Amino acid sequence: SQQGEEDPQALSIQEGENATMNCSYKTSINNLQWYRQNSGRGLVHLILIRSNEREKHSGRLRVTLDTSKKSSSLLITASRAADTASYFCATDDLIGGATNKLIFGTGTLLAVQP
Amino acid sequence: GAVVSQHPSRVICKSGTSVKIECRSLDFQATTMFWYRQFPKKSLMLMATSNEGSKATYEQGVEKDKFLINHASLTLSTLTVTSAHPEDSSFYICSATRGQGASNEQFFGPGTRLTVL
Repeated sequence: SQQGEEDPQALSIQEGENATMNCSYKTSINNLQWYRQNSGRGLVHLILIRSNEREKHSGRLRVTLDTSKKSSSLLITASRAADTASYFCATDDLIGGATNKLIFGTGTLLAVQP
Repeated sequence: GAVVSQHPSRVICKSGTSVKIECRSLDFQATTMFWYRQFPKKSLMLMATSNEGSKATYEQGVEKDKFLINHASLTLSTLTVTSAHPEDSSFYICSATRGQGASNEQFFGPGTRLTVL
């Protein structure tokens, strides 16, 4: 399976704390994206980081990428109860040849307690 | 902009019947649409890639005769689950891209919950 892995599978924190999620992938990539999914809903795109970038910020989100380790992390600072959701990383599929395809990680379920 | 809708949002059907799910790009023309399925508390698994006017490309292990995909226009793709069985119960999500290129963002629909009795 080419599917990436994320850890932790589940994370429970208090409001105001920071949440860090990690993603590992298996193939060479052009970019890596992070998505958020509320229970039973579609996906919302959070941030895209290209393979030649090491860090990217967007509001309370900070993403890092280490292509030598084939890993990425998503940090959510000053978490809020509304951040409660599942978070997925996704990489484009270079091996498959169709660079529009995404391979999703296994996801991290984040619960932010008020 | 870049809104993708799915219809229906939920469907319950009897075993053996066929179910059609629509995916529409509302405010852009989608060069490519993707269909995913997601089991409870699991990740998204790509089922097939659909380009307007051509046959869909199915991922390994996905039965093309069971999951029929039609991409009739640049704004509409349909997924038909034929002769549905309880094991087909899942959350089906489509996405669409509006251009081509390696970093092209996919815009996701809200998903369709299929329950086969």
